[in-house]
Amino acid sequence: DSGVTQTPKHLITATGQRVTLRCSPRSGDLSVYWYQQSLDQGLQFLIHYYNGEERAKGNILERFSAQQFPDLHSELNLSSLELGDSALYFCASSVGGGDGTDTQYFGPGTRLTVL
Amino acid sequence: AQKVTQAQTEISVVEKEDVTLDCVYETRDTTYYLFWYKQPPSGELVFLIRRNSFDEQNEISGRYSWNFQKSTSSFNFTITASQVVDSAVYFCALSNSGYSTLTFGKGTMLLVSP
Repeated sequence: DSGVTQTPKHLITATGQRVTLRCSPRSGDLSVYWYQQSLDQGLQFLIHYYNGEERAKGNILERFSAQQFPDLHSELNLSSLELGDSALYFCASSVGGGDGTDTQYFGPGTRLTVL
Repeated sequence: AQKVTQAQTEISVVEKEDVTLDCVYETRDTTYYLFWYKQPPSGELVFLIRRNSFDEQNEISGRYSWNFQKSTSSFNFTITASQVVDSAVYFCALSNSGYSTLTFGKGTMLLVSP
């Protein structure tokens, strides 16, 4: 158990809908990262927050947004869902600001299925 | 741009065999960090090891060992006396100093049969 929690574990929804994925980092970690794992794209970095502020953006679609709250938990919002958004979404956390030196510890993931 | 290549898509071994998973990376930076993660059938990503570019010393942890060679840009992972519980997808990843992004390889699926 990495100490990173993600809810829900599974999510099934329809195209065009909006969902929210939630992540709580390990105790003491200030950074939260979101990754998407799909069969065709592999593991792709989406976005990074440090202590409430956005630090880096990767291949995140405009339909997707995220935020980190004062209690450091983070939410990833996915809207206007398409079939291709079906994937395993991981949250990771680390102690520092994400300067590349940190180890990122991953949560169990949320499996999103868009029908 | 940085890149991680895991050329072995799938490896099948019989229990107690030794197996090496290959990882080749590309980066222009002199300071970088290499990682291995394990993804068992249950789906979570489990951190195994982190190496920085200035430390080429090989590491051993139980049945696991890692061989880092800057000359060939490789960071290979060996499991000695494999067990069925080692069956998983293993990912090699790279991060550069100053950047939060982890760049992952495509992963190697290891199947260990009894």
